[in-house]
Order: sequence, then structure tokens, then C-alpha cells
Amino acid sequence: GDSVTQMEGPVTLSEEAFLTINCTYTATGYPSLFWYVQYPGEGLQLLLKATKADDKGSNKGFEATYRKETTSFHLEKGSVQVSDSAVYFCALRDDKVIFGPGTSLSVIP
Amino acid sequence: NAGVTQTPKFQVLKTGQSMTLQCAQDMNHEYMSWYRQDPGMGLRLIHYSVGAGITDQGEVPNGYNVSRSTTEDFPLRLLSAAPSQTSVYFCASSYFGSGRGADTQYFGPGTRLTVL
Repeated sequence: GDSVTQMEGPVTLSEEAFLTINCTYTATGYPSLFWYVQYPGEGLQLLLKATKADDKGSNKGFEATYRKETTSFHLEKGSVQVSDSAVYFCALRDDKVIFGPGTSLSVIP
Repeated sequence: NAGVTQTPKFQVLKTGQSMTLQCAQDMNHEYMSWYRQDPGMGLRLIHYSVGAGITDQGEVPNGYNVSRSTTEDFPLRLLSAAPSQTSVYFCASSYFGSGRGADTQYFGPGTRLTVL
């Protein structure tokens, strides 16, 4: 069945460091891919998405490119801020929506 | 629009009790789903529905039932609560299509359930 795998956390970075959170997926069809973010004490909200191969989703300085050949959708940001501290979830939508286990990010000043 | 609403926000049950978690949305979304969130496990899909009268199992359906008699409502029933069902439960909805907001999951505020 469909599944999403993310890099293990927690991840701790200094402010202005480069961020990569790896995400790979398994799906029988051609899914849409998403990154959601959950800030402390809040619900999940959409960060970015891509609906087909080679699409790049971007929002708030975050980017991810849909790579069909490697079944990946890695999240990147060039310079993280303390306010980016949150849990990040990779997800796919095929016939249903499946989430990865989440990666906790802490950014320290 | 109220978006996705869930009740109750908190609930404590004893082992063996049954209850229903309510979920409603006023956005006319076809797709609705239930997840449970446990530390280190992310969100795991319990059941989902692609429209009124249609439901299907997700990754962890055992011990839970759902029905979808209307587009707006998607209740989750715990048949006989067990301590392993202690979790935070989220309902979500979305619409299909190719527009900018398509497939974006809108989440309810969650229900924190404790089973003693």
C-alpha cells in the first residue's frame, strides 16, 4: 500500500542554517505530494504542495520538488529562523491521504 | 464558514465504554477523514470517505466505525474503548479538483481522548 517515509528527528539547527528534510514515498498511482507544518500547540496547516512530476512547491522560503524517478519530495530552506521551529509532515494523496511520521525541527538563536 | 468542527475537545473514558466523536464541515467537501496522532507516529489514517454513503478503511481501522450519511458529517465511533486508543484525534476534509486549493486538507481542532 501507499506509504511515506521521512528522516528521523529531532533536527536542531542554528538560525540562518540550511535545512533539508528528506521525504520518500511509495504509491501505486501518481499521487499529489504535500508538506504540512504543525507549530507548537496548533493544528496542521498546508505549507506547500506539488501535483505532478518535476513540479516545485514553494511557500515562506521553503521549497520541495516532486522527483518521480527517485520517489522523493525533500523539503529545503536556505536560511531557517527561530519561528520555523515546528513539526513537519510529508504527505501524499492517491486514493486517500497518507502522512509520514513527522520531523521535529528546533532552531536556536 | 466555521470550517471543520470537532466535538468534544477532551474526553475521558473507561475501558469498554463506547462513544462517538463528532466531525462536521460546512465547505461542501467530498473527502473527509479521521486520523489519530501519537508521539513519534505522526498522523495515521483511521477511516476516510470520498462522498456521502461511501467509506473505506485507512491504516489503523480496528476498533473504530464510521458512517457518512450526509456530505457535512463524518462521525467516528469507538465500539469498546481500550487504553491503546488514548490519542489525539483529528478530522480533516478537502475537495477534489485541479484548482489551487484542491486536495488541501483542512483540519479540525482535535479531540484529546484518554482511556483509563
